Parts: sequence; structure tokens; C-alpha cells
Amino acid sequence: SQTIHQWPATLVQPVGSPLSLECTVEGTSNPNLYWYRQAAGRGLQLLFYSVGIGQISSEVPQNLSASRPQDRQFILSSKKLLLSDSGFYLCAWSPGTGYSFGGFFGPGTRLTVL
Amino acid sequence: GEDVEQSLFLSVREGDSSVINCTYTDSSSTYLYWYKQEPGAGLQLLTYIFSNMDMKQDQRLTVLLNKKDKHLSLRIADTQTGDSAIYFCAAGANNLFFGTGTRLTVIP
Repeated sequence: SQTIHQWPATLVQPVGSPLSLECTVEGTSNPNLYWYRQAAGRGLQLLFYSVGIGQISSEVPQNLSASRPQDRQFILSSKKLLLSDSGFYLCAWSPGTGYSFGGFFGPGTRLTVL
Repeated sequence: GEDVEQSLFLSVREGDSSVINCTYTDSSSTYLYWYKQEPGAGLQLLTYIFSNMDMKQDQRLTVLLNKKDKHLSLRIADTQTGDSAIYFCAAGANNLFFGTGTRLTVIP
């Protein structure tokens, strides 16, 4: 069976510090991978998605970047965090070929920027 | 990208039916989903429907799709207090676009 892992679960970082959130998927090959953010009191916002190694699409301009160094690894980064980067970050995957069952989500990382 | 819209709040009495509505803009959306997020927890996929279907029933859940109006609804029969959560509608194919979520409050 497939599983998706995210770490860390919670993170408190000062403004201006770097960020690296990691997501890995097990039990599947060539998944589509996604990073979402849920800001306080707001809905989910798609930040990045990837259909393959090294292929990253960005949905919104922002202070963040994403990388996919391996088939089942997706990393969300920032060189300098802003207060507005605080939120709940969710990684998700969906089957990479044919139809999709909508995405399976990881447990999330709660980021607080102070 | 696609716009997916939902009302923000819904309150129902325990035992009544809940209907959560969603509209989307991209008629090429192949899959439409409903997710549930309980307090302090991650998203849980509740159910989904393919765009070539009008209705799908799964125990207490009924999903209705009006493709012409790009309208999706989730009906929860015999709503229980444990159904209190935020419900997200999502539409798309390989890429998903989410609504802002509807907070369902079940009154005992």
C-alpha cells in the first residue's frame, strides 16, 4: 500500500531564516506530487505540482520554491522566510498516469514564522 | 486556474440531512472530490465522482453532479455530531483546485 510522509510535523522559525520541508511517498512509482498551503481561516492553495523528476510547476508567485530530486521525494524550500509564510503545509500525491483518485495527503507541517 | 467556490458555513441539527454545495468553472474537470478535515487533523478523502456520472451514493453520503451548471453537492443523511468538520470540494484532473471549505456544525 502507498504511504506519504512529511516532516517535520511542526516548525517555528524566525523571519529571514531558511526553510526545508520534505515529503516522501512509498509504494508507488512516478506519482504526481503537490505542495498545498492552508493559511489560517482560509482554504487550501496549490503552491507547486510536479509530474516528474526535476519538473516543477508553480501556481502562484511567492517566496517559496520546490524541488523534486528523486521520483518520490518532494521538497519545499525558502531562502528567507516571511511572516506571511506561516501556515499549514500539505504534501499530496496522485497516480501519475491515467485517471486520478484526487490526491492522497500527508499529515502536514504546521509552520509558524515569528 | 480553476475557481472552486463553496459557502463558508452550514449548521444543521443532529439527525437532519446536510447539503454542502460547490461550483466550479472549468468544464474539462474530469474528477470532482469531497474531502473532510476534522479539527487538528489532515485531509481525508471522503468520496469522488467522475464527470461522466450524475450521482454517486456511499452509505450516508450522496454526491450529485450537474455538469451543465458546474454544480456539485454533498448530502449527508442523518447527520451526526461526529460529522462536524470542514468539507472541501476539489475539481480537476492531474491538478486539483480546492474550494475554501464549508464548516459544518452539527447542533445536538
